[in-house]
Amino acid sequence: NAGVTQTPKFQVLKTGQSMTLQCAQDMNHNSMYWYRQDPGMGLRLIYYSASEGTTDKGEVPNGYNVSRLNKREFSLRLESAAPSQTSVYFCASSESFFRAGMDTEAFFGQGTRLTVV
Amino acid sequence: AQKVTQAQTEISVVEKEDVTLDCVYETRDTTYYLFWYKQPPSGELVFLIRRNSFDEQNEISGRYSWNFQKSTSSFNFTITASQVVDSAVYFCALSFASGGSYIPTFGRGTSLIVHP
Repeated sequence: NAGVTQTPKFQVLKTGQSMTLQCAQDMNHNSMYWYRQDPGMGLRLIYYSASEGTTDKGEVPNGYNVSRLNKREFSLRLESAAPSQTSVYFCASSESFFRAGMDTEAFFGQGTRLTVV
Repeated sequence: AQKVTQAQTEISVVEKEDVTLDCVYETRDTTYYLFWYKQPPSGELVFLIRRNSFDEQNEISGRYSWNFQKSTSSFNFTITASQVVDSAVYFCALSFASGGSYIPTFGRGTSLIVHP
């Protein structure tokens, strides 16, 4: 049971380059999320997708775009990378669609360590 | 606005000491969920516990216990007889309803260092 799978695990980009972080979950969850983790800042929500076909901005969306490709996959794109986007990125999923009694905790991928130079 | 505050940035203890990690939250929702996650040095996020806003029962799981008090908006986590393997960053999180989903919002984390 893979859970949430993120690729790549590590990436170095030059300022101005673009890239897409991939995330897939095999738990049939409706909701998926992208967070970034910076020292002393905890995890901050970039974008989320409550269900297939919907996406919404989180706390720190600037400089990012997302695509909910299908129920399993939720990608994060950096169109023009900046050094301020150096961070560890986590994808997560949860079954949290107002279903009474459903588990609502988020399951996380292993993270992508991104460095922009 | 939803907010989670973990005022303790870093705690250092000696093995076998008890330690309590504080978590204070803010929300106007009546239905919400609270969580604790552990992030060991390897970097993955490990789910520890979930509690919904209607269940104020405290919980004990081995050396771990959680104290949820709505009156003080707190959800504190105690490790009894700490061990070196407990060294990690611990995150408290609050899930609130928005747009058909529950959105987890995290505190800044408390780094726990357990010395042998």
